[in-house]
Amino acid sequence: DAGVIQSPRHEVTEMGQEVTLRCKPISGHNSLFWYRQTMMRGLELLIYFNNNVPIDDSGMPEDRFSAKMPNASFSTLKIQPSEPRDSAVYFCASSLDRASTDTQYFGPGTRLTVL
Amino acid sequence: GESVGLHLPTLSVQEGDNSIINCAYSNSASDYFIWYKQESGKGPQFIIDIRSNMDKRQGQRVTVLLNKTVKHLSLQIAATQPGDSAVYFCAENQAGTALIFGKGTTLSVSS
Repeated sequence: DAGVIQSPRHEVTEMGQEVTLRCKPISGHNSLFWYRQTMMRGLELLIYFNNNVPIDDSGMPEDRFSAKMPNASFSTLKIQPSEPRDSAVYFCASSLDRASTDTQYFGPGTRLTVL
Repeated sequence: GESVGLHLPTLSVQEGDNSIINCAYSNSASDYFIWYKQESGKGPQFIIDIRSNMDKRQGQRVTVLLNKTVKHLSLQIAATQPGDSAVYFCAENQAGTALIFGKGTTLSVSS
């Protein structure tokens, strides 16, 4: 099993540019989660999908952030326009289902730096 | 504020010692708890979980204890090894929604 796959692993961009982060969940998993990790705020849930449908996006910081899951094997998190305060590590995780008792498996993360 | 938090941000131990990492939670309705380990440059890795109908669960070299009376969770690592050095997060489930993570405790193991 390849685990959760994220790309790119590192992204450096300039303020105002559009950034797209990608995630491929573990095959067969029905739930997908996007997290942001910073030193100040720790791990924050941004949004999660169940069966490709967004269930809770209350963690999305503002309208500059958007996420999609067009099919069961792919999701994107887009930031447009990006700002320096968006610099963080973004993790994607997947689980069999959205039930709390299903273990979430994390990808390696994308380290985003916005200059 | 955070509903899940850690008592100590950093824990330093000698190789071979037992480590205890603590976590407090505030929601008595939480029914599922997980410990994750995060090594530098990697994503969090599942270690062990426990449900609220249990007070202890053991894995390989790890034990999780749950005290619902005082809403306290701990992770015990036996015979700590240098490879155990990482940040450890507790997480809880509230009302069937997604997990909420604590800030994390850094475990440093010296040889």
